[in-house]
Amino acid sequence: GDSVTQMEGPVTLSEEAFLTINCTYTATGYPSLFWYVQYPGEGLQLLLKATKADDKGSNKGFEATYRKETTSFHLEKGSVQVSDSAVYFCALSDGPALGGSNYKLTFGKGTLLTVNP
Amino acid sequence: GAGVSQSPSNKVTEKGKDVELRCDPISGHTALYWYRQSLGQGLEFLIYFQGNSAPDKSGLPSDRFSAERTGGSVSTLTIQRTQQEDSAVYLCASSSPAAAGGLSYNEQFFGPGTRLTVL
Repeated sequence: GDSVTQMEGPVTLSEEAFLTINCTYTATGYPSLFWYVQYPGEGLQLLLKATKADDKGSNKGFEATYRKETTSFHLEKGSVQVSDSAVYFCALSDGPALGGSNYKLTFGKGTLLTVNP
Repeated sequence: GAGVSQSPSNKVTEKGKDVELRCDPISGHTALYWYRQSLGQGLEFLIYFQGNSAPDKSGLPSDRFSAERTGGSVSTLTIQRTQQEDSAVYLCASSSPAAAGGLSYNEQFFGPGTRLTVL
């Protein structure tokens, strides 16, 4: 079955440090890949996504590139802020991203990021 | 517009009791999902409704769990004879191919969750 493995953390960084959260996946077919973020006291929000190999998703200074050869989708940010403190979830959907189909998400276990001023 | 709402936000119950958790999806969203978030297990898919199609129940952990979606809108997740291992945050999400403002065609919008504690 599908699975997602991500570094569990917790990760603690100082403001303006470089962030990498590793994520690898196992799936049949060609999944879409996502990063979701859960800020303290809030619900899950989609951060970025990529639907095919070599696609780069980006949002709010975060980036992740869909690497089919290494089955990875690592999250990076060049300079983190205190406001980035949250739990980050890598996820995949084994259905097609286009065409009106909607499929369940398979999540990693989440990585808690704390950014100190 | 209004997002996905869930009620109650917190529920404490005794082992063996039945509980019902409610989800109001975003208006017009045709797909509705339930997930469970628990320590050590992360986020797990439970069940998925799409329009009038038969639901995908493949993630339900036991026959004590059931869900229904009335009129293609509101959904209720029912847990019968609750056990301590059912303690978790239950998340609902909805999506639609025509969802406006989403980052992707397939974006799922999540509610705030219901925290269930079984004593």
